[in-house]
Amino acid sequence: EDQVTQSPEALRLQEGESSSLNCSYTVSGLRGLFWYRQDPGKGPEFLFTLYSAGEEKEKERLKATLTKKESFLHITAPKPEDSATYLCAVQAPGASGTYKYIFGTGTRLKVLA
Amino acid sequence: EAQVTQNPRYLITVTGKKLTVTCSQNMNHEYMSWYRQDPGLGLRQIYYSMNVEVTDKGDVPEGYKVSRKEKRNFPLILESPSPNQTSLYFCASSLQGLPDTEAFFGQGTRLTVV
Repeated sequence: EDQVTQSPEALRLQEGESSSLNCSYTVSGLRGLFWYRQDPGKGPEFLFTLYSAGEEKEKERLKATLTKKESFLHITAPKPEDSATYLCAVQAPGASGTYKYIFGTGTRLKVLA
Repeated sequence: EAQVTQNPRYLITVTGKKLTVTCSQNMNHEYMSWYRQDPGLGLRQIYYSMNVEVTDKGDVPEGYKVSRKEKRNFPLILESPSPNQTSLYFCASSLQGLPDTEAFFGQGTRLTVV
Protein backbone atom coordinates (compact mmCIF):
# COMPACT_ATOMS: atom_id res chain seq x y z
CA GLU A 1 0.00 0.00 0.00
CA ASP A 2 1.30 3.46 -0.93
CA GLN A 3 2.03 5.46 2.20
CA VAL A 4 3.72 8.64 3.42
CA THR A 5 4.77 9.13 7.05
CA GLN A 6 6.09 12.40 8.45
CA SER A 7 7.94 12.95 11.69
CA PRO A 8 7.92 14.55 14.11
CA GLU A 9 4.26 15.57 14.32
CA ALA A 10 5.24 18.83 15.97
CA LEU A 11 8.51 20.65 16.51
CA ARG A 12 9.38 23.72 18.55
CA LEU A 13 12.65 25.49 17.79
CA GLN A 14 14.35 28.57 19.07
CA GLU A 15 15.14 31.16 16.42
CA GLY A 16 18.44 30.16 14.81
CA GLU A 17 18.23 26.52 15.97
CA SER A 18 18.61 24.35 12.86
CA SER A 19 16.76 21.05 12.50
CA SER A 20 15.36 18.53 10.02
CA LEU A 21 11.91 17.20 9.22
CA ASN A 22 11.53 13.66 7.95
CA CYS A 23 9.25 12.17 5.30
CA SER A 24 9.44 8.43 4.74
CA TYR A 25 7.50 6.86 1.89
CA THR A 26 6.44 3.56 0.45
CA VAL A 27 5.18 3.84 -3.10
CA SER A 28 5.16 1.55 -6.10
CA GLY A 29 6.80 3.65 -8.77
CA LEU A 30 7.67 7.06 -7.36
CA ARG A 31 7.06 9.79 -9.93
CA GLY A 32 8.00 12.68 -7.67
CA LEU A 33 8.14 13.83 -4.06
CA PHE A 34 6.81 17.25 -3.10
CA TRP A 35 7.16 19.55 -0.12
CA TYR A 36 4.51 22.13 0.70
CA ARG A 37 4.11 24.74 3.40
CA GLN A 38 0.67 25.38 4.88
CA ASP A 39 -0.24 28.36 7.04
CA PRO A 40 -3.34 28.22 9.27
CA GLY A 41 -6.56 28.68 7.32
CA LYS A 42 -4.82 28.62 3.93
CA GLY A 43 -4.17 26.18 1.16
CA PRO A 44 -0.76 24.49 0.86
CA GLU A 45 1.95 26.42 -0.95
CA PHE A 46 4.51 24.64 -3.12
CA LEU A 47 8.15 24.52 -1.98
CA PHE A 48 10.07 21.76 -3.82
CA THR A 49 9.82 18.78 -6.14
CA LEU A 50 12.40 15.97 -6.01
CA TYR A 51 12.49 13.18 -8.57
CA SER A 52 15.47 10.93 -7.92
CA ALA A 53 17.61 9.68 -5.04
CA GLY A 54 20.49 12.01 -4.32
CA GLU A 55 18.68 15.08 -5.58
CA GLU A 56 18.80 18.25 -3.45
CA LYS A 57 17.02 21.58 -3.77
CA GLU A 58 17.35 24.78 -1.77
CA LYS A 59 15.26 27.85 -1.16
CA GLU A 60 16.34 30.47 1.34
CA ARG A 61 16.70 28.66 4.70
CA LEU A 62 15.19 25.41 3.41
CA LYS A 63 16.93 22.49 1.78
CA ALA A 64 15.20 19.31 0.65
CA THR A 65 16.98 16.02 0.01
CA LEU A 66 15.79 12.65 -1.27
CA THR A 67 16.89 9.05 -0.77
CA LYS A 68 15.21 5.85 -2.00
CA LYS A 69 13.10 5.62 1.14
CA GLU A 70 12.83 9.09 2.63
CA SER A 71 13.19 12.81 2.22
CA PHE A 72 14.45 15.42 4.63
CA LEU A 73 13.58 19.09 4.86
CA HIS A 74 16.47 20.84 6.56
CA ILE A 75 15.79 24.23 8.09
CA THR A 76 18.89 26.31 8.73
CA ALA A 77 18.77 29.14 11.27
CA PRO A 78 14.96 29.34 11.24
CA LYS A 79 13.04 32.54 11.89
CA PRO A 80 9.59 32.95 13.46
CA GLU A 81 8.10 33.47 9.99
CA ASP A 82 9.08 29.88 9.14
CA SER A 83 6.40 28.69 11.58
CA ALA A 84 3.89 26.63 9.60
CA THR A 85 2.86 23.08 8.87
CA TYR A 86 5.14 21.38 6.36
CA LEU A 87 3.55 18.73 4.19
CA CYS A 88 5.21 16.00 2.17
CA ALA A 89 3.47 14.31 -0.76
CA VAL A 90 4.31 11.69 -3.35
CA GLN A 91 2.99 11.31 -6.85
CA ALA A 92 2.08 7.68 -7.34
CA PRO A 93 0.59 5.62 -10.18
CA GLY A 94 -3.18 5.63 -10.33
CA ALA A 95 -5.58 3.69 -12.50
CA SER A 96 -4.98 3.20 -16.24
CA GLY A 97 -1.89 5.36 -16.67
CA THR A 98 -3.12 8.17 -14.43
CA TYR A 99 -1.39 9.42 -11.31
CA LYS A 100 -2.54 10.47 -7.88
CA TYR A 101 -1.12 12.26 -4.86
CA ILE A 102 -0.63 10.87 -1.37
CA PHE A 103 0.08 13.32 1.44
CA GLY A 104 1.60 12.81 4.85
CA THR A 105 -0.08 14.26 7.92
CA GLY A 106 2.48 17.04 8.21
CA THR A 107 4.91 18.48 10.75
CA ARG A 108 3.75 21.53 12.70
CA LEU A 109 6.75 23.77 13.16
CA LYS A 110 6.84 26.58 15.70
CA VAL A 111 9.88 28.87 15.78
CA LEU A 112 10.19 30.98 18.90
CA ALA A 113 11.81 34.41 18.87
CA GLU B 1 -3.07 36.62 -11.34
CA ALA B 2 -2.72 32.83 -11.44
CA GLN B 3 -5.18 31.32 -9.02
CA VAL B 4 -7.53 28.54 -8.03
CA THR B 5 -10.87 29.84 -6.79
CA GLN B 6 -13.25 27.83 -4.63
CA ASN B 7 -16.75 28.78 -3.58
CA PRO B 8 -18.17 28.98 -1.06
CA ARG B 9 -15.47 29.46 1.59
CA TYR B 10 -17.76 28.42 4.41
CA LEU B 11 -20.90 26.30 4.29
CA ILE B 12 -23.20 24.87 6.93
CA THR B 13 -25.83 22.47 5.65
CA VAL B 14 -28.16 19.75 6.85
CA THR B 15 -27.85 16.03 6.31
CA GLY B 16 -29.16 14.92 2.94
CA LYS B 17 -29.35 18.31 1.24
CA LYS B 18 -27.44 18.17 -2.03
CA LEU B 19 -24.66 20.70 -2.43
CA THR B 20 -21.97 21.68 -4.93
CA VAL B 21 -18.61 23.28 -4.20
CA THR B 22 -17.21 25.02 -7.24
CA CYS B 23 -13.56 25.17 -8.29
CA SER B 24 -12.13 27.21 -11.13
CA GLN B 25 -8.54 27.77 -12.31
CA ASN B 26 -7.17 30.32 -14.77
CA MET B 27 -3.82 28.66 -15.58
CA ASN B 28 -4.96 26.26 -18.33
CA HIS B 29 -3.92 23.31 -16.18
CA GLU B 30 -4.86 19.81 -17.26
CA TYR B 31 -4.75 18.13 -13.84
CA MET B 32 -7.26 19.07 -11.15
CA SER B 33 -8.14 17.37 -7.91
CA TRP B 34 -10.14 17.60 -4.71
CA TYR B 35 -8.87 16.90 -1.21
CA ARG B 36 -10.33 16.81 2.25
CA GLN B 37 -8.23 17.71 5.25
CA ASP B 38 -9.05 16.33 8.69
CA PRO B 39 -7.09 16.61 11.95
CA GLY B 40 -4.68 13.71 12.33
CA LEU B 41 -5.45 12.37 8.85
CA GLY B 42 -3.86 15.03 6.70
CA LEU B 43 -4.85 15.77 3.11
CA ARG B 44 -6.59 12.91 1.34
CA GLN B 45 -7.37 12.93 -2.34
CA ILE B 46 -11.05 12.47 -3.15
CA TYR B 47 -11.12 12.60 -6.94
CA TYR B 48 -8.78 13.77 -9.64
CA SER B 49 -9.04 14.63 -13.31
CA MET B 50 -6.28 14.32 -15.88
CA ASN B 51 -8.23 16.39 -18.43
CA VAL B 52 -11.72 17.21 -19.71
CA GLU B 53 -14.11 14.25 -19.36
CA VAL B 54 -11.42 12.17 -17.59
CA THR B 55 -11.91 11.63 -13.86
CA ASP B 56 -10.67 8.98 -11.43
CA LYS B 57 -11.22 8.06 -7.81
CA GLY B 58 -8.67 9.04 -5.21
CA ASP B 59 -8.36 7.43 -1.81
CA VAL B 60 -11.67 8.60 -0.29
CA PRO B 61 -14.29 8.94 -3.08
CA GLU B 62 -17.32 7.53 -1.25
CA GLY B 63 -20.18 10.01 -1.03
CA TYR B 64 -18.74 12.42 -3.60
CA LYS B 65 -19.15 13.04 -7.31
CA VAL B 66 -17.23 15.22 -9.73
CA SER B 67 -17.47 16.31 -13.34
CA ARG B 68 -15.02 17.91 -15.74
CA LYS B 69 -16.93 19.38 -18.66
CA GLU B 70 -14.59 22.32 -19.12
CA LYS B 71 -10.85 22.51 -18.55
CA ARG B 72 -11.06 25.35 -16.04
CA ASN B 73 -13.85 24.01 -13.80
CA PHE B 74 -13.99 20.98 -11.53
CA PRO B 75 -17.02 21.03 -9.21
CA LEU B 76 -17.37 18.70 -6.22
CA ILE B 77 -20.87 17.38 -5.64
CA LEU B 78 -22.24 15.89 -2.44
CA GLU B 79 -25.54 14.27 -3.40
CA SER B 80 -26.60 13.44 0.16
CA PRO B 81 -24.18 14.95 2.67
CA SER B 82 -23.66 13.26 6.02
CA PRO B 83 -22.00 14.55 9.21
CA ASN B 84 -18.85 12.49 8.52
CA GLN B 85 -18.29 14.71 5.48
CA THR B 86 -17.73 17.70 7.74
CA SER B 87 -14.23 18.76 6.79
CA LEU B 88 -11.97 21.34 5.16
CA TYR B 89 -11.92 20.85 1.39
CA PHE B 90 -9.26 21.98 -1.05
CA CYS B 91 -9.23 22.07 -4.81
CA ALA B 92 -5.88 22.02 -6.62
CA SER B 93 -4.62 22.23 -10.19
CA SER B 94 -1.33 21.56 -11.94
CA LEU B 95 0.26 21.08 -15.32
CA GLN B 96 0.56 17.50 -16.47
CA GLY B 97 3.49 15.57 -17.81
CA LEU B 98 6.19 18.18 -17.16
CA PRO B 99 8.93 18.51 -14.55
CA ASP B 100 8.09 20.52 -11.47
CA THR B 101 4.36 19.86 -11.73
CA GLU B 102 3.62 21.82 -8.59
CA ALA B 103 0.03 21.98 -7.50
CA PHE B 104 -1.70 25.29 -6.87
CA PHE B 105 -4.32 25.11 -4.15
CA GLY B 106 -7.49 27.07 -3.58
CA GLN B 107 -8.27 28.89 -0.33
CA GLY B 108 -10.33 26.02 1.05
CA THR B 109 -14.01 25.41 1.81
CA ARG B 110 -14.96 24.65 5.37
CA LEU B 111 -18.05 22.43 5.28
CA THR B 112 -20.17 21.57 8.29
CA VAL B 113 -22.98 19.01 7.93
CA VAL B 114 -25.43 18.92 10.83
